[in-house]
Amino acid sequence: QSALTQPRSVSGSPGQSVTISCTGTSSDVGGYNYVSWYQQHPGKAPKLMIYDVSKRPSGVPDRFSGSKSGNTASLTISGLQAEDEADYYCCSYAGSSWVFGGGTKLTVL
Amino acid sequence: QITLKESGPTLVKPTQTLTLTCTFSGFSLSTSGVGVGWIRQPPGKALEWLALIYWNDDKRYSPSLKSRLTITKDTSKNQVVLTMTNMDPVDTATYYCAHRGGWVAAHFDYWGQGTLVTVSS
Repeated sequence: QSALTQPRSVSGSPGQSVTISCTGTSSDVGGYNYVSWYQQHPGKAPKLMIYDVSKRPSGVPDRFSGSKSGNTASLTISGLQAEDEADYYCCSYAGSSWVFGGGTKLTVL
Repeated sequence: QITLKESGPTLVKPTQTLTLTCTFSGFSLSTSGVGVGWIRQPPGKALEWLALIYWNDDKRYSPSLKSRLTITKDTSKNQVVLTMTNMDPVDTATYYCAHRGGWVAAHFDYWGQGTLVTVSS
């Protein structure tokens, strides 16, 4: 069971949109609609931003959206704000276990 | 309001067994559908899922660490305990416990603050 593949870093200017990809296999991302995304600021615990591929928990801005195609899931953040600068992790259910991605550092320029 | 808090030693020696406790409130592990998991994060590195226990005492483990992990629950105390044997310096990490999002859920919606465990002689 290997970690899901994410880009090490992405960046964007305030107001722009960025997309973070998360590539797995048919045994995890491609096999279940159970991809979740977590935001983590330095020294803080992860925060759930997206679950079940595209659902947003209460309180998460609608600037955050998720999607999936085949074995690749994506998190899109539109209207970038300074407070969006953080590490982002995808996670997929893999049939009786879970697997996280390697994490992506988002820099707001 | 759901809260979770991890507790345990901050320093363990190589080959020792680590025992961590997750004490939670705002839900019960005797309620159908509830689950509590453990996730760790080495300094500067990615999150890694370790284990999860369900309300019915069903347990799931990371395939790569299964032989070293044991997860248990004490419903009366609202606690979940994770033990990891044969600790090594590479196990140095912040260990988090988290609430599974609910019935047929496969995400973690509430997390503890984490506890840093250092493995060193």
